[in-house]
Amino acid sequence: DGGITQSPKYLFRKEGQNVTLSCEQNLNHDAMYWYRQDPGQGLRLIYYSQIVNDFQKGDIAEGYSVSREKKESFPLTVTSAQKNPTAFYLCASRRTSGVIAEQYFGPGTRLTVT
Amino acid sequence: AQSVTQPDIHITVSEGASLELRCNYSYGATPYLFWYVQSPGQGLQLLLKYFSGDTLVQGIKGFEAEFKRSQSSFNLRKPSVHWSDAAEYFCAHYSGGYQKVTFGIGTKLQVIP
Repeated sequence: DGGITQSPKYLFRKEGQNVTLSCEQNLNHDAMYWYRQDPGQGLRLIYYSQIVNDFQKGDIAEGYSVSREKKESFPLTVTSAQKNPTAFYLCASRRTSGVIAEQYFGPGTRLTVT
Repeated sequence: AQSVTQPDIHITVSEGASLELRCNYSYGATPYLFWYVQSPGQGLQLLLKYFSGDTLVQGIKGFEAEFKRSQSSFNLRKPSVHWSDAAEYFCAHYSGGYQKVTFGIGTKLQVIP
């Protein structure tokens, strides 16, 4: 089945540690996205990538980093510089050719930093 | 900057009652609009989308939405709500030209027996 996988589902880290969240898609989509979700704030865009080896900052990129070395993969690193990293993180992908297409979402990773 | 407004943060309806969730967008050009649903602790699932053509669009799970350009609205409706519809609903807007999608803050739907 085609889709997006995010691992792990739950992640716990100590404050001051960097942590990398995995996102893999087998939909052959060019564009990939990372969102952060907090209660009452909807989805806020962290980073997005339209093509391999290229990515752009979203609205809340500070304290995060990404890479896009392969079309299928778009890992997100939450660095120790992120002041409030505990949140639910969602990865999405989208086809960019042809008719405008919707985003497909992964199941999310809940990160807890203590 | 484009924005999406969902004025109702929480809505409670009785099972079997009709439902309308409101969404307003702010952007001049023809928008590309979406409604997604999210169950607790899960990712988002597309309910329906509007790009052009017929302003009343049908989606999955018995949902429909109507695009009204004059009101900059894209409200989601369902004639009879089921308990399994309890979830959070997000309206989203893709304006074209760049790859960003803007989401509303979501409306949490509670269904009571």
